[in-house]
Amino acid sequence: SQTIHQWPATLVQPVGSPLSLECTVEGTSNPNLYWYRQAAGRGLQLLFYSVGIGQISSEVPQNLSASRPQDRQFILSSKKLLLSDSGFYLCAWQEGRFNQPQHFGDGTRLSIL
Amino acid sequence: EDKVVQSPLSLVVHEGDTVTLNCSYEVTNFRSLLWYKQEKKAPTFLFMLTSSGIEKKSGRLSSILDKKELFSILNITATQTGDSAIYLCAVLDSNYQLIWGAGTKLIIKP
Repeated sequence: SQTIHQWPATLVQPVGSPLSLECTVEGTSNPNLYWYRQAAGRGLQLLFYSVGIGQISSEVPQNLSASRPQDRQFILSSKKLLLSDSGFYLCAWQEGRFNQPQHFGDGTRLSIL
Repeated sequence: EDKVVQSPLSLVVHEGDTVTLNCSYEVTNFRSLLWYKQEKKAPTFLFMLTSSGIEKKSGRLSSILDKKELFSILNITATQTGDSAIYLCAVLDSNYQLIWGAGTKLIIKP
C-alpha cells in the first residue's frame, strides 16, 4: 500500500532563516505531488504541484519554492522566511491522473518568530 | 470567481445524533466533488462524487450530489465521539485543480 511521509511535524524558525520541508511517497510510481498551506478556518491553499521529476507548477507567487529531485520526493523551501509564512503545510500525492483523490501527509506546523 | 462554501462552520451535537453537513459550489466546468475528514493532522479521503442523485455510503457516513442545485450533503448517523473532526469539501474544476471550502468543525459530545 501507498504511504506518505512528511517531516518535521513541527518547526519553529526565526524570521529571515531558510526553510526545507520534505515529503516522500512509498508504494507508487510517478505520482502527482502537491504542497498546500492551511490557515485556521480557511480552506487549503495550493502552493505547488508536480507531475514529474523537475516539473514544478506554482499557483501562488511568494518567497517559497519547490523542487522534485526524485520521483517520490517533494521539497518545499525558502531562502528567507517571513512572518506570514507561518501555517500548517500539507503534502499530498495522487495517482498520475488528475481525476483521482489526493492523499495527504500528516503536515508540518511552522511557526515563525 | 470559483468558490466552495460549507455550512455550518461549526456544529456541536450529542453522541447518537444524526448530522447533515452542507457544501455548495460555484465552479466553472465542474468535474467532481470530494469530501475529506481531518482530525488532527492529515485530511483523509471519504468520498468522490461525480453524478447527481447517486448516494455514496460507507458505514454510518453517506453523501449525495445535486448538480442542478450545485450542492452536496454529508450525512453521519448515530454519531460517535470519534466522528469529531473538521470535514472538508473540495470541487475539482476544469483545470483539474481542487477548490476547497473552509470546512465544518464537528464536535460530538458524549
